[in-house]
Amino acid sequence: DIVMTQSPLSLSVTPGEPASISCRSSQSLLHSNGNNYLDWYLQKPGQSPQQLIYLGSNRASGVPDRFSGSGSGTDFTLKISRVEAEDVGVYYCMEALQSPFTFGPGTKVDIK
Amino acid sequence: EVQLVESGGGLVQPGESLRVSCAASRFTFSDYWMHWVRQAPGKGLVWVSRINSDGSNINYADSVKGRFTISRDNAKNTLYLQMNSLRAEDTAVYYCTRGTLNGFDIWGQGTMVTVSS
Repeated sequence: DIVMTQSPLSLSVTPGEPASISCRSSQSLLHSNGNNYLDWYLQKPGQSPQQLIYLGSNRASGVPDRFSGSGSGTDFTLKISRVEAEDVGVYYCMEALQSPFTFGPGTKVDIK
Repeated sequence: EVQLVESGGGLVQPGESLRVSCAASRFTFSDYWMHWVRQAPGKGLVWVSRINSDGSNINYADSVKGRFTISRDNAKNTLYLQMNSLRAEDTAVYYCTRGTLNGFDIWGQGTMVTVSS
């Protein structure tokens, strides 16, 4: 099984400041079709998870452009250009290359 | 609005069985892979199982293999998870989610399953 790690595990950010979360996989998530099968999800307090980024760098429908995903192979990054109060929650990366799909441990983001 | 609504959760004793359901609406259910993801209290997300559009391709996490069975009824637009031989460590909120080539794009609100004596 692919093992996913994230860092940091918690992050306290001042509104308007940028934030960055790293995600690493134990195996390459780069498929022969050129896609990286790495997704990002946000779970806001008391809510179900919601999709943020798919295939490494594509914003899901309705996701603000302050969110961006990058990386390839085994190293990926989620960036928030200017954190807003509504961005608090736990961010998870997930490999979607092969079953069993595995999530990272999550990064808890709160506001200073 | 495209929607997934889980139901069937509850309190059961260790060793007992429970079936949770996920009703889909406002999309062509039979076109999509569907997944179950669970979250133990205060813990992270864990993928549980998936089923393809016609039910012919199924996968499970090792932790539930042999005990849980995923199925679907496309005529009823409903996904199921039959959980047998339940253990305390199966206590979690169970989410159904729609799988696409572009990730898990729709999630239900979850149903809580508690396994305790």
